[in-house]
Amino acid sequence: DTGVSQDPRHKITKRGQNVTFRCDPISEHNRLYWYRQTLGQGPEFLTYFQNEAQLEKSRLLSDRFSAERPKGSFSTLEIQRTEQGDSAMYLCASRLDSSRHYGYTFGSGTRLTVV
Amino acid sequence: AQTVTQSQPEMSVQEAETVTLSCTYDTSENNYYLFWYKQPPSRQMILVIRQEAYKQQNATENRFSVNFQKAAKSFSLKISDSQLGDTAMYFCAFLTYNNNDMRFGAGTRLTVKP
Repeated sequence: DTGVSQDPRHKITKRGQNVTFRCDPISEHNRLYWYRQTLGQGPEFLTYFQNEAQLEKSRLLSDRFSAERPKGSFSTLEIQRTEQGDSAMYLCASRLDSSRHYGYTFGSGTRLTVV
Repeated sequence: AQTVTQSQPEMSVQEAETVTLSCTYDTSENNYYLFWYKQPPSRQMILVIRQEAYKQQNATENRFSVNFQKAAKSFSLKISDSQLGDTAMYFCAFLTYNNNDMRFGAGTRLTVKP
């Protein structure tokens, strides 16, 4: 297991289309996070899972956004009816329950461009 | 509100020199962790160094060290003997014991010049 994997690396979509991103965390990590990073800014928290349970959602996560983590393994983030303002880097991170003090391990991100 | 402020959007340093990146944060919590992450261009964010708030001793990791001033809520990063590979965005981040929402600053773009 080489780290947190995200797919695709880049996605260009037309406004109004739906997109789905995938994140595969480090296998033994039961906590999984989604962040959004816009140009020139730090990452902003979107949502978090403990195993398969989605325990927290940011107000940034509008009704057009949905995230799942079936069986507590990989996670998907779907954006419906994309808008130009959704253009950003979407980062996934994971950690063990007991390793809060080590911070999170991040993936390389999915860069979304809405045209 | 819990916020992280990085007041230096961009910095540059000559190779082999020392540079310090500043970070301040605001929280009413007493127990938390502080982190510096490095994000090279088009590459993933990696942890550089971390500090637990209850520890008074400043963390060090090879050429990287921090100056943690809890009363002032300041957490600066010092990079000694800067290398070209240190060129990246650096983010200061903060995580309390009770939250799952790691807060990040806006970042400092560091350029190491040959």
